[in-house]
Amino acid sequence: AQSVTQLGSHVSVSEGALVLLRCNYSSSVPPYLFWYVQYPNQGLQLLLKYTSAATLVKGINGFEAEFKKSETSFHLTKPSAHMSDAAEYFCAVTRTSGTYKYIFGTGTRLKVLA
Amino acid sequence: KAGVTQTPRYLIKTRGQQVTLSCSPISGHRSVSWYQQTPGQGLQFLFEYFSETQRNKGNFPGRFSGRQFSNSRSEMNVSTLELGDSALYLCASSSREGTDTQYFGPGTRLTVL
Repeated sequence: AQSVTQLGSHVSVSEGALVLLRCNYSSSVPPYLFWYVQYPNQGLQLLLKYTSAATLVKGINGFEAEFKKSETSFHLTKPSAHMSDAAEYFCAVTRTSGTYKYIFGTGTRLKVLA
Repeated sequence: KAGVTQTPRYLIKTRGQQVTLSCSPISGHRSVSWYQQTPGQGLQFLFEYFSETQRNKGNFPGRFSGRQFSNSRSEMNVSTLELGDSALYLCASSSREGTDTQYFGPGTRLTVL
């Protein structure tokens, strides 16, 4: 079975500071991993995805994530936070053995302080 | 290309009623998945349809059902509504089933009174 754990349901950073949102996965087969962002009253928007190519994945809005197999992690980072980054972020894994469906983490709400 | 559209955006129903939600995927996409999002449970997978066939199903009671039409549009039905069904229902489409990237609609906010 596959699973995703997002550490920290709420993260606060100052504007201009580094953003680090943590995601650890469990998978018995090579995973595909995704980060999505959700703004209030909206659906989820894809930030970036890992599909077994380069381990460092660059996404939209200056975000990037690094796939580390040894640590079973796929943490999301951004060098400098902007007020507009305040939102909820979801990590997801897919490519379950036998059946394919997305498994989402519980989400991390990012607050950016002025 | 137009994105995923969901109708209606907001819905208020009373306990015991039934409701039908609609999702139109991105043109050319054949896979549609449905999710329920609540503050307490997060994002939970309901089901996935591909080429009019249900391919995967989450752990929801039989009151939750869905279908997909030949034009890939999908509907989700919830019968005998309960207070706990109040949630944001999200639809996502992808070009094929499985590991392909999912693109989400804005959701339908269902409130059950």
